[in-house]
Amino acid sequence: GENVEQHPSTLSVQEGDSAVIKCTYSDSASNYFPWYKQELGKGPQLIIDIRSNVGEKKDQRIAVTLNKTAKHFSLHITETQPEDSAVYFCAASYRTGGSYIPTFGRGTSLIVHP
Amino acid sequence: EPEVTQTPSHQVTQMGQEVILRCVPISNHLYFYWYRQILGQKVEFLVSFYNNEISEKSEIFDDQFSVERPDGSNFTLKIRSTKLEDSAMYFCASKEDSYGYTFGSGTRLTVV
Repeated sequence: GENVEQHPSTLSVQEGDSAVIKCTYSDSASNYFPWYKQELGKGPQLIIDIRSNVGEKKDQRIAVTLNKTAKHFSLHITETQPEDSAVYFCAASYRTGGSYIPTFGRGTSLIVHP
Repeated sequence: EPEVTQTPSHQVTQMGQEVILRCVPISNHLYFYWYRQILGQKVEFLVSFYNNEISEKSEIFDDQFSVERPDGSNFTLKIRSTKLEDSAMYFCASKEDSYGYTFGSGTRLTVV
């Protein structure tokens, strides 16, 4: 089955700095890579995703990159703000029909210091 | 914005007791899921449910676990005889026929 590794486990940055979280996956059949943000006391919320036919996707201060050859993908947050502090999870999955089961990474605790 | 609602937020139970975790998925969603997250570990898939039946389940989802959609709005996870290692955060999720899940806020299950 799929195995997703995520690094770092903790990331501490100053407000305004950039943050990068990296993930690798093992199953070359995986074709969908969502990123989730989990704030304290809440469930994971989808913040951005990328499909395997795209190398990069951007949404305001958040961008994701995908390198299918190397089987790794990354989340980039620019101009970080204290409200970006949360646990971020990457995931990889193979979509068939209407259903897919993502495999999650261990999570990265991002702390943005004001 | 539509939400997935889970109750209770925290459940404490004695080892060997049965627990039922409840979820109300988003009303027009078709696919329903349960995940769990043991403290400090990965979010792990338990089971998916579509068209009133289990579509996939993981190795974790053994005979002690069951799911039900009793009335067309609730989606429940039952653990028949809880063990200490069942202590975890349990997340319900739902989706339409699209890529992204919507997760609930979770139920923290503590087995003592």
